[in-house]
Amino acid sequence: GAVVSQHPSRVICKSGTSVKIECRSLDFQATTMFWYRQFPKQSLMLMATSNEGSKATYEQGVEKDKFLINHASLTLSTLTVTSAHPEDSSFYICSATQAGESGELFFGEGSRLTVL
Amino acid sequence: GEDVEQSLFLSVREGDSSVINCTYTDSSSTYLYWYKQEPGAGLQLLTYIFSNMDMKQDQRLTVLLNKKDKHLSLRIADTQTGDSAIYFCAESTQGSSYKLIFGSGTRLLVRP
Repeated sequence: GAVVSQHPSRVICKSGTSVKIECRSLDFQATTMFWYRQFPKQSLMLMATSNEGSKATYEQGVEKDKFLINHASLTLSTLTVTSAHPEDSSFYICSATQAGESGELFFGEGSRLTVL
Repeated sequence: GEDVEQSLFLSVREGDSSVINCTYTDSSSTYLYWYKQEPGAGLQLLTYIFSNMDMKQDQRLTVLLNKKDKHLSLRIADTQTGDSAIYFCAESTQGSSYKLIFGSGTRLLVRP
């Protein structure tokens, strides 16, 4: 099946620094990618929808300037957590859909961010 | 708004059947999904059902959909210790088959 890869899988950073997480569709073109955040022992919360070549659509309550999303190509979307703070520590998961397909999302393995 | 609810925990004995339940609110959902998450890992799609179906079977998995009551269930036959994980149901949101709203997840513990 289709594969979505995230990098890095784990990252530890100091408070105040910025961290970039990549989401790649390895064997298909992803017109739309989604970014989710998961707190420990909780569900996934949709943060934003990213369409290739256009600005991301953020969910209510998600700070656009804090979580910068770029979807510059059909195989890559990036999430940058700017000026990270300990409360940004979380598990970030992306998902992607194949162009022209319906009914299935492919999820990345997730990236665990720890902000010290 | 959309909301998806699940019970938090289920414990079964190995070899028994497991039934995980889910209720949702968006009657316009096109697809409903079941995902599995093992510790520290991403999500694995187990199965999904189109909203005009009421049942789907895939090997040990059976999905039942009661659209009138907005109730979805996942039955795992002959549950194995490797099935221990968190199971999330999710509904697609109005206007998009791909934008999902997830339930809180049900932690399934399979006892030997």
